[in-house]
Amino acid sequence: KQEVTQIPAALSVPEGENLVLNCSFTDSAIYNLQWFRQDPGKGLTSLLLIQSSQREQTSGRLNASLDKSSGRSTLYIAASQPGDSATYLCAVLDGQNFVFGPGTRLSVLP
Amino acid sequence: KAGVTQTPRYLIKTRGQQVTLSCSPISGHRSVSWYQQTPGQGLQFLFEYFSETQRNKGNFPGRFSGRQFSNSRSEMNVSTLELGDSALYLCASSHGPEAFFGQGTRLTVV
Repeated sequence: KQEVTQIPAALSVPEGENLVLNCSFTDSAIYNLQWFRQDPGKGLTSLLLIQSSQREQTSGRLNASLDKSSGRSTLYIAASQPGDSATYLCAVLDGQNFVFGPGTRLSVLP
Repeated sequence: KAGVTQTPRYLIKTRGQQVTLSCSPISGHRSVSWYQQTPGQGLQFLFEYFSETQRNKGNFPGRFSGRQFSNSRSEMNVSTLELGDSALYLCASSHGPEAFFGQGTRLTVV
């Protein structure tokens, strides 16, 4: 059974710092990995999708990498801003459905 | 292009009642998945539909059911509501590797 963990559970940083969020999964036989952002009480916003054949994806200040063999993904956020404050979730596509991690709650202080 | 639309956004029901939630996927997307999000369990997969057929089902009791119509819109139904069914119910649609989520329906059972 696929299990996804995320470290740290929560993070509070001053504005402008570069951040690394970590995601680990137990079964490397995944189709893809997707990072999402969730604001309180809201739905999920897709940030980056990394397909199983890819090693990384970039969008603006965000960069995500995937190492299937070690069961790890990292989300790098450059020059963090208060508007980045949210919960970040990673999810692996395992068959027909996603298995989600518990999330990292990020707070960027002005 | 319209995103994934879920209705209603908020719902309050009494124990023992039943409820129906609706999800309209992005135009052209034929796969619709449902997830339950609670503070204690995080995001858990309920079921996935593709072209009106349920392809995959999570580990939820039979009180949770769903269906998909020919226009790809989907509904999920929960019968005999319990207090523990209080959650944010999220729907996702996809037409390829990337999934897009709606804003969710917040169900409160009293």
